[in-house]
Amino acid sequence: AQSVAQPEDQVNVAEGNPLTVKCTYSVSGNPYLFWYVQYPNRGLQFLLKYITGDNLVKGSYGFEAEFNKSQTSFHLKKPSALVSDSALYFCAVISSGGYQKVTFGIGTKLQVIP
Amino acid sequence: KAGVTQTPRYLIKTRGQQVTLSCSPISGHRSVSWYQQTPGQGLQFLFEYFSETQRNKGNFPGRFSGRQFSNSRSEMNVSTLELGDSALYLCASSLEGASNEKLFFGSGTQLSVL
Repeated sequence: AQSVAQPEDQVNVAEGNPLTVKCTYSVSGNPYLFWYVQYPNRGLQFLLKYITGDNLVKGSYGFEAEFNKSQTSFHLKKPSALVSDSALYFCAVISSGGYQKVTFGIGTKLQVIP
Repeated sequence: KAGVTQTPRYLIKTRGQQVTLSCSPISGHRSVSWYQQTPGQGLQFLFEYFSETQRNKGNFPGRFSGRQFSNSRSEMNVSTLELGDSALYLCASSLEGASNEKLFFGSGTQLSVL
């Protein structure tokens, strides 16, 4: 079985400050990890993924995430938050080699305060 | 390229009725997966179709079913609706449904069961 935990329902950060949205996972075998963002009344949009290689992954809109195998974490980060980053963020995991049966976290609402 | 299209955008039904939701994937994408999104549960995987075959299934009762047509368009059906079925239903597509592929989501169908 695979699972994802996003321990914070909401993260508040001031505009211009660095932001972190936390994610830990559990999966048998090698994990493939994803971050998606959802704006109000929209579907999810892909931000970035970790498949293999460099533990630091860079994605869209200046976001990056660090894969930490020993801590089974994949935290999303951005050096300087924008008000337009305010949205719902989902972490997702899938075991490598399988087909699309992705497990998503419950989501973290990011609020960037002007 | 057109994105993933879901129809209708909103639906209001009463308990005991049935409903059919439609999803047209991105041209060339052969894998279509369905998710139920609720505020407290995040995204829950329903099923995934590839080449008209259900390849993966989540832990939902048999009232939830789906199918995929030869042009990769997919439909999801929910019979004997219950109040708890009220949710945003999201469809996602990818090329082959491989575990390392990112998902492209539609805007969803918001189902309200009264």
